Amino acid sequence: AAGVIQSPRHLIKEKRETATLKCYPIPRHDTVYWYQQGPGQDPQFLISFYEKMQSDKGSIPDRFSAQQFSDYHSELNMSSLELGDSALYFCASSRLERGGPVRRDTQYFGPGTRLTVL
Amino acid sequence: AQSVAQPEDQVNVAEGNPLTVKCTYSVSGNPYLFWYVQYPNRGLQFLLKYITGDNLVKGSYGFEAEFNKSQTSFHLKKPSALVSDSALYFCAVHSGGGADGLTFGKGTHLIIQP
Repeated sequence: AAGVIQSPRHLIKEKRETATLKCYPIPRHDTVYWYQQGPGQDPQFLISFYEKMQSDKGSIPDRFSAQQFSDYHSELNMSSLELGDSALYFCASSRLERGGPVRRDTQYFGPGTRLTVL
Repeated sequence: AQSVAQPEDQVNVAEGNPLTVKCTYSVSGNPYLFWYVQYPNRGLQFLLKYITGDNLVKGSYGFEAEFNKSQTSFHLKKPSALVSDSALYFCAVHSGGGADGLTFGKGTHLIIQP
């Protein structure tokens, strides 16, 4: 079965540079989520998009922005990179699954992009 | 606010023995609970979820989890552990609202000894 695709898998940047991470959701999935996992940490939710509109916002720094495109892929743009941004960045996707008034989707995660800021 | 606690950083089990990885949660409203497994330098793999219905949820690779509302717990279990089950396990909760992010526990390292 097709999975979530993330590119690049590894990225090395200098401080104050910019980076763009890409995510291609599972076919027919309409929702994309971004997470950041620091070394030895649990994943922290950054932001999500449903049908190309921002849906929920977590602990995403103002230096980061993201969007979802018409083909449902998403990009996470990171500017003025800091040493502390070094982490594994996961994208997850899901398909809207309603159970009454609320969503009950399962989020499927990609392999992640390992960002190293020097 | 919602939260998840995994009280054990590490669990050691002999191969062939039953295993339990503990998780407790705190949410307002109905809980939507998940277990994921992470192998070194890999993404998170979905194991199982509890939305509603039977308190015993069966998932992938022979894992199951028991939802206990009175104890606000969602412990992961497997009757007979395999060495290949050694990995990092995360419990997560979802508010069930919009496209909300998951809130994860700190993770539990499961080590299966041959």
